[in-house]
Amino acid sequence: NAGVTQTPKFRVLKTGQSMTLLCAQDMNHEYMYWYRQDPGMGLRLIHYSVGEGTTAKGEVPDGYNVSRLKKQNFLLGLESAAPSQTSVYFCASREPPFNEQYFGPGTRLTVT
Amino acid sequence: AQKVTQAQTEISVVEKEDVTLDCVYETRDTTYYLFWYKQPPSGELVFLIRRNSFDEQNEISGRYSWNFQKSTSSFNFTITASQVVDSAVYFCALSASRWPDAGNMLTFGGGTRLMVKP
Repeated sequence: NAGVTQTPKFRVLKTGQSMTLLCAQDMNHEYMYWYRQDPGMGLRLIHYSVGEGTTAKGEVPDGYNVSRLKKQNFLLGLESAAPSQTSVYFCASREPPFNEQYFGPGTRLTVT
Repeated sequence: AQKVTQAQTEISVVEKEDVTLDCVYETRDTTYYLFWYKQPPSGELVFLIRRNSFDEQNEISGRYSWNFQKSTSSFNFTITASQVVDSAVYFCALSASRWPDAGNMLTFGGGTRLMVKP
């Protein structure tokens, strides 16, 4: 039981490049989330999904897209990376009615 | 709107000292949940505790204890007899259940970095 895993762990992009971050969970959780963590700001919600085939915008969705084609996977895409997207990205999952979210190990992304 | 404030950005203590991390929250909802997460130097986020708004009973787990006071909108976290392994960033977070379609998103505070020196 791996919990929540994220691929890749580190990535460096040049401005304008695109990439996809993969989140996978093996707990059969219904809800999944993508957050970004910036120094001194805690974590902020980018997008989330309340079930397979559904996605919704969070607090800071601009510049990102997501897809949830399979229940266990939640993909975060950057179509045209910008230096402002340099951050650590965390994926999380949760099974209602329980409210705690379980987090992946994070992906450190640098955009130059 | 929801807001979580952790006024202490950094705390430094010597091993075996007790330390309290403050958390103050704002929400207009009557039903909500409060959380503490630990982020050790390795970077992962570890869930520590969940509290719902109807349960103001304090909780103790080993050297950890939590004090929830609705009257002051606070959910403080105390580590007794701190150890070097407690060094981490600690996040307080809030989730309200008024909007089910918001997926019970977590609103995080900015975190408190705790450094425990030997």
